[in-house]
Amino acid sequence: DAGVIQSPRHEVTEMGQEVTLRCKPISGHNSLFWYRQTMMRGLELLIYFNNNVPIDDSGMPEDRFSAKMPNASFSTLKIQPSEPRDSAVYFCASSFAVHTEAFFGQGTRLTVV
Amino acid sequence: TQLLEQSPQFLSIQEGENLTVYCNSSSVFSSLQWYRQEPGEGPVLLVTVVTGGEVKKLKRLTFQFGDARKDSSLHITAAQPGDTGLYLCAGAGSLSTDKLIFGTGTRLQVFP
Repeated sequence: DAGVIQSPRHEVTEMGQEVTLRCKPISGHNSLFWYRQTMMRGLELLIYFNNNVPIDDSGMPEDRFSAKMPNASFSTLKIQPSEPRDSAVYFCASSFAVHTEAFFGQGTRLTVV
Repeated sequence: TQLLEQSPQFLSIQEGENLTVYCNSSSVFSSLQWYRQEPGEGPVLLVTVVTGGEVKKLKRLTFQFGDARKDSSLHITAAQPGDTGLYLCAGAGSLSTDKLIFGTGTRLQVFP
């Protein structure tokens, strides 16, 4: 298996633009997580899905952030409109169950200027 | 809210030294995982400890789960530059639906 695949690896965008991050989880995994990592705040859980259903989105910063999982092999995290403070590395992770080993993608480094 | 505090936050040492990283919480966890993250990559699981008092060894790394399952430690013997990275602990609650709670992280730099 190729592991969790995220795209793009790097994204530079202007403030106010829409940003869409993509994730393909490992086949057979039932749980998918979106994290944001910064030096100041560490690794923060934004939202997670179980069997394609959003379970906990309490970590989503505000209404500008939204996430979808239309099927078991694809998820998106969208920021609209983006702001400079959204600059961070965004990780997608998947696992067999909610608190079993999490397999992380390589992340998307987002820079909003 | 469950919180996992790690200490120290930063650690810079010379090759060959020993070190211990701590992961503490006021909450009880059913299991605790340790991850290592290298620059430009996502975290990768090192070990999972499940039983209070459990000790697991992975080459020069020794992991211990506290008796009360509220804390854990990671001890590295004779650190090497390849051990450099961000170490994260993550705790799982008692319910199967409980999400993993990640710690604040310890950034380790080992100089040759």
